[in-house]
Amino acid sequence: ELKVEQNPLFLSMQEGKNYTIYCNYSTTSDRLYWYRQDPGKSLESLFVLLSNGAVKQEGRLMASLDTKARLSTLHITAAVHDLSATYFCAVDVLSGSARQLTFGSGTQLTVLP
Amino acid sequence: DTGVSQNPRHKITKRGQNVTFRCDPISEHNRLYWYRQTLGQGPEFLTYFQNEAQLEKSRLLSDRFSAERPKGSFSTLEIQRTEQGDSAMYLCASSRDGYEKLFFGSGTQLSVL
Repeated sequence: ELKVEQNPLFLSMQEGKNYTIYCNYSTTSDRLYWYRQDPGKSLESLFVLLSNGAVKQEGRLMASLDTKARLSTLHITAAVHDLSATYFCAVDVLSGSARQLTFGSGTQLTVLP
Repeated sequence: DTGVSQNPRHKITKRGQNVTFRCDPISEHNRLYWYRQTLGQGPEFLTYFQNEAQLEKSRLLSDRFSAERPKGSFSTLEIQRTEQGDSAMYLCASSRDGYEKLFFGSGTQLSVL
């Protein structure tokens, strides 16, 4: 059974600081997603990482994928309050005829002034 | 592209009642997914449709759950004889063939009293 583990589960950080969220998964996959979810809202796709060594950046967020280590990271640079949300990584595996996403438990990020 | 629409947004029901949720995917998306999310957890895969065919069902989907997608457009998820453990956010997502990024709806929050 595929397991996806994120850490930390809760993160409070001050504005302007840097931090990294980690996502480990237990089976081979070459496709990993990062999503953001605000309270009571839908999941918003942030990044799709499709191959080993992939790195994508959008604003203050940068995501990377190491398929050999089965590890993805989401790095936050100079955090701002607007980044407060829950961040999920999800691993994409083919099961039968469907590609299914298995999500981590999420990292609840709070950026403090 | 109006996004994935789900209704109702909230549903409160008594244990033992039946409930039905609706999902309207992004038009021309022929893949439709249902996920369930409980508090503090990532979404868990329930079932998948390609056009009108239900191709995958999770072990989480007991006999009390049924999903349909007539004509390959909107989908409904019905839960019969609801139990308190069914309380969760039910999320619908859609994607286009060959373009695997999932777009999620805002979900239906079910509370079983």
